Amino acid sequence: DAGVIQSPRHEVTEMGQEVTLRCKPISGHDYLFWYRQTMMRGLELLIYFNNNVPIDDSGMPEDRFSAKMPNASFSTLKIQPSEPRDSAVYFCASSLGLAGGLYNEQFFGPGTRLTVL
Amino acid sequence: GQNIDQPTEMTATEGAIVQINCTYQTSGFNGLFWYQQHAGEAPTFLSYNVLDGLEEKGRFSSFLSRSKGYSYLLLKELQMKDSASYLCAVREYDYKLSFGAGTTVTVRA
Repeated sequence: DAGVIQSPRHEVTEMGQEVTLRCKPISGHDYLFWYRQTMMRGLELLIYFNNNVPIDDSGMPEDRFSAKMPNASFSTLKIQPSEPRDSAVYFCASSLGLAGGLYNEQFFGPGTRLTVL
Repeated sequence: GQNIDQPTEMTATEGAIVQINCTYQTSGFNGLFWYQQHAGEAPTFLSYNVLDGLEEKGRFSSFLSRSKGYSYLLLKELQMKDSASYLCAVREYDYKLSFGAGTTVTVRA
């Protein structure tokens, strides 16, 4: 399996622009998670989906952030408009459900490094 | 909510043993994970504990005491490639993972 795939790997944009991050989870995984990692705040959960349905978006910082999962193999995280404080590494992760593997651990994608100027 | 504490940094010599402690407070415990993250890379799964006791996987072991809200990760026979950040993460019943700030381990020759 190719693992969790994220694109782009790096994104540099200017304040006010729209940013869309993409994720393809591991085939067969029914949980998908979006995280943000910064030096100041560490790794924070933004939102997670189960079977394409958003379960908990309490970590989404504000209305400028939105996430969708139109099907089992694709999810997007959108920031509109972007601000310099959104600069971070954004990780997507996926896992099996409770009926899955022994640990149900989350597998992380390589991340998208976002810089907002 | 979660409150997860682990040391910020640790330094050890190649071949030595290092123990990284993690304490947590949670309303609904459903497992504790340790992840390794090399600089500029994604976190990768190391170990999982849901029952009290020690889990051993090669050079790495992880211990859990649910009554004390305490876990540790033990790295034995340290190698240079073990220099990384180690993240303690607690899972609650709603399937969310909350991560500690991470412990940066530096292995010196």
